[in-house]
Amino acid sequence: AQSVAQPEDQVNVAEGNPLTVKCTYSVSGNPYLFWYVQYPNRGLQFLLKYITGDNLVKGSYGFEAEFNKSQTSFHLKKPSALVSDSALYFCAVRDHNNNDMRFGAGTRLTVKP
Amino acid sequence: KAGVTQTPRYLIKTRGQQVTLSCSPISGHRSVSWYQQTPGQGLQFLFEYFSETQRNKGNFPGRFSGRQFSNSRSEMNVSTLELGDSALYLCASGDGGSSGRELFFGEGSRLTVL
Repeated sequence: AQSVAQPEDQVNVAEGNPLTVKCTYSVSGNPYLFWYVQYPNRGLQFLLKYITGDNLVKGSYGFEAEFNKSQTSFHLKKPSALVSDSALYFCAVRDHNNNDMRFGAGTRLTVKP
Repeated sequence: KAGVTQTPRYLIKTRGQQVTLSCSPISGHRSVSWYQQTPGQGLQFLFEYFSETQRNKGNFPGRFSGRQFSNSRSEMNVSTLELGDSALYLCASGDGGSSGRELFFGEGSRLTVL
């Protein structure tokens, strides 16, 4: 079965600095990979996904993620963090057989002014 | 286009009671997935319905059940509530086609069991 690991419960960065939120995955075959963000008392919002092709995927709000097949990773990045980026971030994986989407435990990102 | 609508947003129940939560997916979407979110466990997959049939199922006890209607609206039911069932229950809507399509989430139903 597919699974996702987010090794950091919490990431703290200063505003204007680059940020990275880490994600590794396990799946049979080629993966579909996703990042979502959750603000307090809200549902999850889709940020970006990797399906195939270019390993660097660009998404909403200036976020991007890099797919690395050899390291089975899909880290989320942003060149310059904003205070408003502070939220809970989830990585998710799905296989090609329409099995359920599995989520990591989430990483809380705090951007300090 | 309207988003995913979940009702009720908040509810309080006592142990032993049962609860029914509702989810209306995005118009045209035929897949509805349910997740339980708790601070300690993150997002745990409950089940997915596609065209009124349960397509995938997570590792939850039989007290957790669901169904989907012909208009794609879905309900989930939890019987004999336990304190540990307190959580945010999230519904996600999808077109049910390729696995590469993203899911769209509602704002959740926050259940508190006393």
